[in-house]
Amino acid sequence: GDSVTQMEGPVTLSEEAFLTINCTYTATGYPSLFWYVQYPGEGLQLLLKATKADDKGSNKGFEATYRKETTSFHLEKGSVQVSDSAVYFCALGNTGGFKTIFGAGTRLFVKA
Amino acid sequence: NAGVTQTPKFQVLKTGQSMTLQCAQDMNHNSMYWYRQDPGMGLRLIYYSASEGTTDKGEVPNGYNVSRLNKREFSLRLESAAPSQTSVYFCASNERSEKLFFGSGTQLSVL
Repeated sequence: GDSVTQMEGPVTLSEEAFLTINCTYTATGYPSLFWYVQYPGEGLQLLLKATKADDKGSNKGFEATYRKETTSFHLEKGSVQVSDSAVYFCALGNTGGFKTIFGAGTRLFVKA
Repeated sequence: NAGVTQTPKFQVLKTGQSMTLQCAQDMNHNSMYWYRQDPGMGLRLIYYSASEGTTDKGEVPNGYNVSRLNKREFSLRLESAAPSQTSVYFCASNERSEKLFFGSGTQLSVL
C-alpha cells in the first residue's frame, strides 16, 4: 500500500545551518505531496505542497521538489532559525481516496 | 477565524470510562477526520467522514465510534477507555484530499 518514510530525528542544528529532512514515498497513481509542521502544543499546519512531478513547493524559506524518478520530496532550508524548532511531517494525499498518509515525523531542534 | 475547534483540550479518564471528543469546523468542508498521534508513529487515521451522512474506518478504528452530526460537526466516542488509548487526538477537515486543516488537539490520559 501507499506509504511515506522520512528520516528519524531528532535533528539538532545551530542557528543559520543548512537543513535537509529526507522523505521518500510509495504510491500508486499521482499523489500530491505535503510538508506539515507542528509547533509545540499546537495542531499541524501546512508548510508547503506540490501537486505534480518537478513542482517545487516553497514557504517561509523552506523548499521541497517533487521528484517522481526518485519518489522523494526532501525538505530544505538554507538558514534555520531557533523559531523553526518543531516537528515536520511529510505526507501524501489524493491517492484515490480521502486519506492523507503521514510519515512518522522528524523533530528539529535549533540552538542559538 | 475559528477554523477547526476541538473540545476538550485535556482529559483524564479511568479505565472503562466513556467520553466523547467534539469537533466542529466552520469552513464548509465536506470531509472530516479523526487522527491519533503517538510518539514515533506519526499520525494514524482512526475514522473519517468523506461527506455528511457517511463515515468510514481508518487505520486504527478499534475501540472508537464516530458520528457525523451535520456538515460542521464530527464527534469521536470512546465507549470503554483503555490505557492503550492514551494519546493526543486531532480532528481535521478538508476538501477532496487537499490541504488538511487541524484542530489544536486533545491530550487524553487513561489511567
